[in-house]
Amino acid sequence: DIQMTQSPSTLSASVGDRVTITCRASQSISIWLAWYQKKPGKAPDLLIYKASNLQSGVPSRFSGSGSGTEFTLTISSVQPDDFATYYCQRYNGYPYSFGQGTKLEIK
Amino acid sequence: EMQLVESGGGLVQPGGSLKLSCAASGFTFTDFAMHWVRQAPGKGLEWVARVRTYLNTYETAYAPSLQGRLTISRDDSKNTAYLQMNSLKTEDTAVYYCTRLSPTYGMDVWGRGTTVTVFS
Repeated sequence: DIQMTQSPSTLSASVGDRVTITCRASQSISIWLAWYQKKPGKAPDLLIYKASNLQSGVPSRFSGSGSGTEFTLTISSVQPDDFATYYCQRYNGYPYSFGQGTKLEIK
Repeated sequence: EMQLVESGGGLVQPGGSLKLSCAASGFTFTDFAMHWVRQAPGKGLEWVARVRTYLNTYETAYAPSLQGRLTISRDDSKNTAYLQMNSLKTEDTAVYYCTRLSPTYGMDVWGRGTTVTVFS
């Protein structure tokens, strides 16, 4: 089975910082990767699909890149609403594995 | 407005059963595979199960660690997906989310979740 590994597990940042989260797949998944934002008590929100496409309504400070086995999510200038946990997921087939999550904390 | 609403969560003892429901509205339910994803307290998101569409013969799939205890299904006449959970364990305690999978976008519509608590 394909495993998804995110790094780091925790990321401390200040408002205005640029941050990058990495997601690696244990084998190639082409561009079939999504990024989600998860806040406590709320459902996940889709941010990025097909590795680099911004979901409608998501602020442009979020961007995604990569293909094959290595992917990144970048927030160009962290805003107060961005402190949350972020998950990558491959979605082109079974099993629809999530990464273990990256918690973005206030420095 | 596209919406998914879960129900059926609750308190249950180990070994018990629960059936979760997910009612869809605002989109063509029959066009989408439906999935369940869970999040245990303090843990990450975990994919649980999937049921495909009629055109894909309602094919089901389960997380390997949960296979044998779960049954996912759907009733297209009611725009509803289900997750039957048997032989529940304390480690099944989680918020269970229903979500649709778009082949292009990924899991783009989510319910608010229903809480399952397995206590001894």
